[in-house]
Amino acid sequence: NAGVTQTPKFQVLKTGQSMTLQCAQDMNHNSMYWYRQDPGMGLRLIYYSASEGTTDKGEVPNGYNVSRLNKREFSLRLESAAPSQTSVYFCASSEGILAKNIQYFGAGTRLSVL
Amino acid sequence: QKEVEQNSGPLSVPEGAIASLNCTYSDRGSQSFFWYRQYSGKSPELIMFIYSNGDKEDGRFTAQLNKASQYVSLLIRDSQPSDSATYLCAVNGDNYGQNFVFGPGTRLSVLP
Repeated sequence: NAGVTQTPKFQVLKTGQSMTLQCAQDMNHNSMYWYRQDPGMGLRLIYYSASEGTTDKGEVPNGYNVSRLNKREFSLRLESAAPSQTSVYFCASSEGILAKNIQYFGAGTRLSVL
Repeated sequence: QKEVEQNSGPLSVPEGAIASLNCTYSDRGSQSFFWYRQYSGKSPELIMFIYSNGDKEDGRFTAQLNKASQYVSLLIRDSQPSDSATYLCAVNGDNYGQNFVFGPGTRLSVLP
């Protein structure tokens, strides 16, 4: 099994450009998440989707939009990239049940905005 | 604002020693607790989870939870150079991850 797959692995954007980060999981998980990780700040939740058809804001949603396309796929869109969005982005998925809400992470997307 | 705090380190221990990593959290309603390991340039991978007070052991790793004091710790026995990584503490308060909060991580260095 591939687990959680993210594309692309690396991306360089100019300020104002848009792009979509793709995420797919093959574990039949209900919940999916997008995080960003900056040096010294740990992982911060951008958006999450508790189940297919629902999305909610996390700690740092400004400048981002998401789409839960189906149970497998959860995309993150930057409409107008800013240098402050330079970061490593991780997608994760989990069963979504309390005792088993273990999150499994993709390999990450390293984004630089110039 | 729910917070999870960790000593950023680096924590250096000699090979074969016990490494002790600590984490405190602010939300008394937190229900489950996780330790992830993250190698440089890689994604986090789960080491252990715990949701009852006390100790939980898995091989060389032991997680300890004290809800009254709001701390969770990870002990690594017989530390190996391959254990050198950043260890992330994560705390979850509900079913859907809304309150899934990560600490900043502690960098561990195991010296040969």
